[in-house]
Amino acid sequence: GAVVSQHPSWVICKSGTSVKIECRSLDFQATTMFWYRQFPKQSLMLMATSNEGSKATYEQGVEKDKFLINHASLTLSTLTVTSAHPEDSSFYICSASLRAGETDTQYFGPGTRLTVL
Amino acid sequence: EDKVVQSPLSLVVHEGDTVTLNCSYEVTNFRSLLWYKQEKKAPTFLFMLTSSGIEKKSGRLSSILDKKELFSILNITATQTGDSAVYLCAVEEFTNAGKSTFGDGTTLTVKP
Repeated sequence: GAVVSQHPSWVICKSGTSVKIECRSLDFQATTMFWYRQFPKQSLMLMATSNEGSKATYEQGVEKDKFLINHASLTLSTLTVTSAHPEDSSFYICSASLRAGETDTQYFGPGTRLTVL
Repeated sequence: EDKVVQSPLSLVVHEGDTVTLNCSYEVTNFRSLLWYKQEKKAPTFLFMLTSSGIEKKSGRLSSILDKKELFSILNITATQTGDSAVYLCAVEEFTNAGKSTFGDGTTLTVKP
């Protein structure tokens, strides 16, 4: 149980286009999902916290108009990279939080490799 | 600002060696510390530590937390080439549904 999927697993796009990445919790409902970005040989950097039915909370330095997050249901959050540029090329990972009692456990998706040409 | 620092940043050992990875933290609303192993894709969960002094063990891996000194160690005994990976330490907060701050990771390379 507790499986999180991401789609697509990799995407190549031209500079200036927008790319949408989906994150789904397959067998549980996640009121909270997190989006991370990871550059080569660096750690995971939290971009935003996404709560179902409300606006995402962005970390300092992350442009909310560039990285649009929608969490329309308890099993789906989407990240749209708008007007992508080569410097947006990165590995994007989502995680979904499963609550059991008072404990929240994060389950990670497999990640999406974005390359912007 | 919450901070998680891992050391060393990289480590090269030979099969059979024992390694110790370190993680220190400064977090305001500490709830738990987690260790992950990351190979090519997303991290995979290893341990969650919430209490001081209680060792968690899984095969050749073990970990312990010291909440007074604010650090944790991850031990791997009898290393194998399959242990080569980036090991990430993350600290979860009580608030924000478990929001985590990650360290920079330790890259472990185990040579045959």
